[in-house]
Amino acid sequence: KAGVTQTPRYLIKTRGQQVTLSCSPISGHRSVSWYQQTPGQGLQFLFEYFSETQRNKGNFPGRFSGRQFSNSRSEMNVSTLELGDSALYLCASSTQGSREKLFFGSGTQLSVL
Amino acid sequence: DQQVKQNSPSLSVQEGRISILNCDYTNSMFDYFLWYKKYPAEGPTFLISISSIKDKNEDGRFTVFLNKSAKHLSLHIVPSQPGDSAVYFCAATNTGNQFYFGTGTSLTVIP
Repeated sequence: KAGVTQTPRYLIKTRGQQVTLSCSPISGHRSVSWYQQTPGQGLQFLFEYFSETQRNKGNFPGRFSGRQFSNSRSEMNVSTLELGDSALYLCASSTQGSREKLFFGSGTQLSVL
Repeated sequence: DQQVKQNSPSLSVQEGRISILNCDYTNSMFDYFLWYKKYPAEGPTFLISISSIKDKNEDGRFTVFLNKSAKHLSLHIVPSQPGDSAVYFCAATNTGNQFYFGTGTSLTVIP
């Protein structure tokens, strides 16, 4: 079974631009969640989707948005990029998203210049 | 507000000895806890989990202990191996689909 796939692996953007990150979950997994990892902050929860519905959202500004498609693939969008958005963005999937282990992708490393 | 804390950024242990990684949490509603291991340039991988109805869970060399009264979680690795060198994150949830992660502890196992 293929693992969680995130594309692209690296991204360099400038302030004010927008970016879209993609995540393909493990086949059969319907829950996809996104996390931001920065040095010293650990992993911070962004949002979780299940069957195309956002069930939970973390404490991030509205510039961060996401969606999930009918095939469970998910995208995350960040608009009006700021320097502080530079981070590793991790996508994780699970079957139901209810007290079960998450399977993480390798992440997208975003650098904002 | 960091609801899950790992106060030791790093830990060094001799090969064959026990590694003990600690984690504290503030939210008494957390009912499911997990440990993840992360190598550079890779996503975190699941190690072991524990439900709040238990106080111990074992899986091979890995044991997780939960002390609910102290709001404290620990991961024991016995015996430690060089391949265990990685960053370890603890995580907790009370909703089931939103996890709160600690800031991680970098473990180095010295051959």
